[in-house]
Amino acid sequence: GENVEQHPSTLSVQEGDSAVIKCTYSDSASNYFPWYKQELGKRPQLIIDIRSNVGEKKDQRIAVTLNKTAKHFSLHITETQPEDSAVYFCAAGGTGGGNKLTFGTGTQLKVEL
Amino acid sequence: GAVVSQHPSWVICKSGTSVKIECRSLDFQATTMFWYRQFPKQSLMLMATSNEGSKATYEQGVEKDKFLINHASLTLSTLTVTSAHPEDSSFYICSARAPGLGELFFGEGSRLTVL
Repeated sequence: GENVEQHPSTLSVQEGDSAVIKCTYSDSASNYFPWYKQELGKRPQLIIDIRSNVGEKKDQRIAVTLNKTAKHFSLHITETQPEDSAVYFCAAGGTGGGNKLTFGTGTQLKVEL
Repeated sequence: GAVVSQHPSWVICKSGTSVKIECRSLDFQATTMFWYRQFPKQSLMLMATSNEGSKATYEQGVEKDKFLINHASLTLSTLTVTSAHPEDSSFYICSARAPGLGELFFGEGSRLTVL
């Protein structure tokens, strides 16, 4: 089955700096790679996703890059703000309704003033 | 986006009792729903895939007789934790994909505490 590794487990940045979180996956059949943000005690919320036919996707301050050959994808957050502080999870899997997603171990991001 | 609702949001029960958690897709039909468990400061671990009208598919290491899943309609899946013990205390969260969308939508989650 799919195995997703995520680094770092914790990340502390100064407000305004950039944050980068990296994930690797094992199953070459995976073609969908979402990133979720989870605040304490709440449900995960999708912040951006990318499919395997695209190498990069950007949405305002958030971007994701995908390297299919290396089975590696990354989340980039620029101009970080205190409200970006949360746990971020990457995931990998298929896009079909019945296709499960395997999640990474999570990154606790803290944006300091 | 699509809405997935979960109930109850929290429950406290005595050891040995059973607890049922409901997961509903409010504005779409979901032939498949996923049940995850999340321990404090840990990742989302898939427990099982709930299939409407058929048996659930359990992940390795998850006891199907302990975690009963029923997906009786296209908008409702239930997870029953049978004979709950303190080690079953966790955050249980369901999810589903709306047709045509790749995004996985999550319920609010249910925090189970077994005394």
